[in-house]
Amino acid sequence: DGGITQSPKYLFRKEGQNVTLSCEQNLNHDAMYWYRQDPGQGLRLIYYSQIVNDFQKGDIAEGYSVSREKKESFPLTVTSAQKNPTAFYLCASSPQGAITEAFFGQGTRLTVV
Amino acid sequence: RKEVEQDPGPFNVPEGATVAFNCTYSNSASQSFFWYRQDCRKEPKLLMSVYSSGNEDGRFTAQLNRASQYISLLIRDSKLSDSATYLCVVNMYVAYKYIFGTGTRLKVLA
Repeated sequence: DGGITQSPKYLFRKEGQNVTLSCEQNLNHDAMYWYRQDPGQGLRLIYYSQIVNDFQKGDIAEGYSVSREKKESFPLTVTSAQKNPTAFYLCASSPQGAITEAFFGQGTRLTVV
Repeated sequence: RKEVEQDPGPFNVPEGATVAFNCTYSNSASQSFFWYRQDCRKEPKLLMSVYSSGNEDGRFTAQLNRASQYISLLIRDSKLSDSATYLCVVNMYVAYKYIFGTGTRLKVLA
């Protein structure tokens, strides 16, 4: 089945640690996105990539990093510089940038302990 | 002013009722419009794209008003299973990103 797979579903991190969230898609989509959602708030864009080996900062990129070495994969690293990382992280992809609809993975819920 | 604004609700309606949500957007250059549904602690799922001529999918109807810069979603004959948060999404494909509203929460009551 085609889709977007995020792993892990739940992740616990100690303060000061970096963690990497996985996002893989087999939809052959060019564009991929990372969003963060906090309780009662809308989705905020962290990073996006329109094509392999290229990515752009979104609205809240500080404390995060990404790579896009393969079309299928867009991992997100939450670094220790991110002061409030506890949130629900959503990865999405779309075939033609933001012209067409986006499809989401099931999300990763990150908690700092 | 927020780029995309929605009434957060909650809208509490009885089963069988008709309910409508509006969403306003600030940038007249916005090109594509969508409604997503998000259940609690789940990912958003596409409900409908919104076309200039309006479109219908079963009990759901979406409209776009470019002059007043808003989109709407109408749900007829509400079901308990329609209870969710409905997200309005617009884009400026020049900017290659989607702008999400904070969502309108709907509760359908038995």
